[in-house]
Amino acid sequence: EAGVAQSPRYKIIEKRQSVAFWCNPISGHATLYWYQQILGQGPKLLIQFQNNGVVDDSQLPKDRFSAERLKGVDSTLKIQPAKLEDSAVYLCASSFRPGLADSSYEQYFGPGTRLTVT
Amino acid sequence: RKEVEQDPGPFNVPEGATVAFNCTYSNSASQSFFWYRQDCRKEPKLLMSVYSSGNEDGRFTAQLNRASQYISLLIRDSKLSDSATYLCVVNKVKAAGNKLTFGGGTRVLVKP
Repeated sequence: EAGVAQSPRYKIIEKRQSVAFWCNPISGHATLYWYQQILGQGPKLLIQFQNNGVVDDSQLPKDRFSAERLKGVDSTLKIQPAKLEDSAVYLCASSFRPGLADSSYEQYFGPGTRLTVT
Repeated sequence: RKEVEQDPGPFNVPEGATVAFNCTYSNSASQSFFWYRQDCRKEPKLLMSVYSSGNEDGRFTAQLNRASQYISLLIRDSKLSDSATYLCVVNKVKAAGNKLTFGGGTRVLVKP
C-alpha cells in the first residue's frame, strides 16, 4: 500500500514570497490533516478535512495560510506571504474514516516538507 | 495549561534498562490515545494505540489512567534503536468530527 505522498521535500524562500505544498493521502482515507512542526515541538494541527469539507481550521492563520481539498483526495496548503516564523516542517497525514472504530483515527504521515524562510 | 503535556527529557537510558514516561491531558472527554515515535528529521510513525486501560506490544506497554488523566509508555530491555522522540496524541470525538492533539514529545536516548 502506498503511503502519504508530499512534495516538495524541501523549500527555501524569502520572506513575503508565497509557497505551496501538495499532499496525496493513502487511497481510501477520507480524513486529511495538515500540521506545522517547529523544531523541538510537537506537530500543531493547522487544518483537518473530512472528504472535501473542513472539520477544523481553528489554528490556521487565515490571513496568510489557505488550504483546499477540492475533490476530496489530494490537498494543497499555501502560504502567502511567508514570514520568518513560518520556517518549519509541514506534515500531511491521513486516516481512514472517523466513527467506524477507534482505529480509524490512527494517522499515517507523509515525509513532510521542510520550509526555510530567509 | 496545555491540553497535552509531556516531559521533554531527554531520558538517558542504559542499553537493556527499562524506561517509562507519562503524558497528561486536560480534557476528561478524551476518548482514545496514541503513542507515535519520531526519529530525527523524519515523520511521526504510529507506535501504539490505547483504547481501553492499556496495550502491550512486545517490549512496549502503554497504560491509561482515566481518573488521573494520563497515559504512560514503558519500554523494557531498551535497544539503541529505541532512541527517538515519543509523541503522545489525545483524540476527542465531537459532533462535527474529532480533534487530535499532540504533546510536545519526550526524547529518549539509549546509550551503550
